[in-house]
Amino acid sequence: AQTVTQSQPEMSVQEAETVTLSCTYDTSESDYYLFWYKQPPSRQMILVIRQEAYKQQNATENRFSVNFQKAAKSFSLKISDSQLGDAAMYFCAYTPHAGGTSYGKLTFGQGTILTVHP
Amino acid sequence: DAMVIQNPRYQVTQFGKPVTLSCSQTLNHNVMYWYQQKSSQAPKLLFHYYDKDFNNEADTPDNFQSRRPNTSFCFLDIRSPGLGDAAMYLCATSRDLGGYSTDTQYFGPGTRLTVL
Repeated sequence: AQTVTQSQPEMSVQEAETVTLSCTYDTSESDYYLFWYKQPPSRQMILVIRQEAYKQQNATENRFSVNFQKAAKSFSLKISDSQLGDAAMYFCAYTPHAGGTSYGKLTFGQGTILTVHP
Repeated sequence: DAMVIQNPRYQVTQFGKPVTLSCSQTLNHNVMYWYQQKSSQAPKLLFHYYDKDFNNEADTPDNFQSRRPNTSFCFLDIRSPGLGDAAMYLCATSRDLGGYSTDTQYFGPGTRLTVL
């Protein structure tokens, strides 16, 4: 069974600094997708960044970038120039390109609460 | 803007009184999902629709049902809510990628259900 682990229940960062959130996963599939979602308190879950496993290049979206290490099954999120609006629960998630009973299944990690200090 | 809409945003019901939550989407995605999310936890998938095909998770209680009358709308029915069903219910949609997987899931704002 696929599992996603976020080992940091809480992280904090100073405004304008950089922070890295960790995520590891376990799968026997070779083709899959990885995501980071952000969920601010009482607000909508939104996609931060997406990585396709067959692409070696790390995904980036403005201040957000990932370090995807396929062999190590590691998928960390780096937030540069942190802003107050980055404060949220961040979920790492995985879905296989596999069909069958795995179709559409998004496996989430436990989440990391990020606090941004002014 | 294309989006996922959930109504109502807050729902209060009484123990055992049936309740229906609504989700609509303008993304024209063929896959729709319902998740249950309890405080400070990850969302838990209840079921999903691939077009009109319903797919229930093995551990979803029978108390939870769903309907999808057309591509745009999907409903979550809780037949006899218990105190343990108080949670945030999230609807999500995604685009099928050739039957083997789906593209990114886009989430609605959620409906927070309180059971008295």
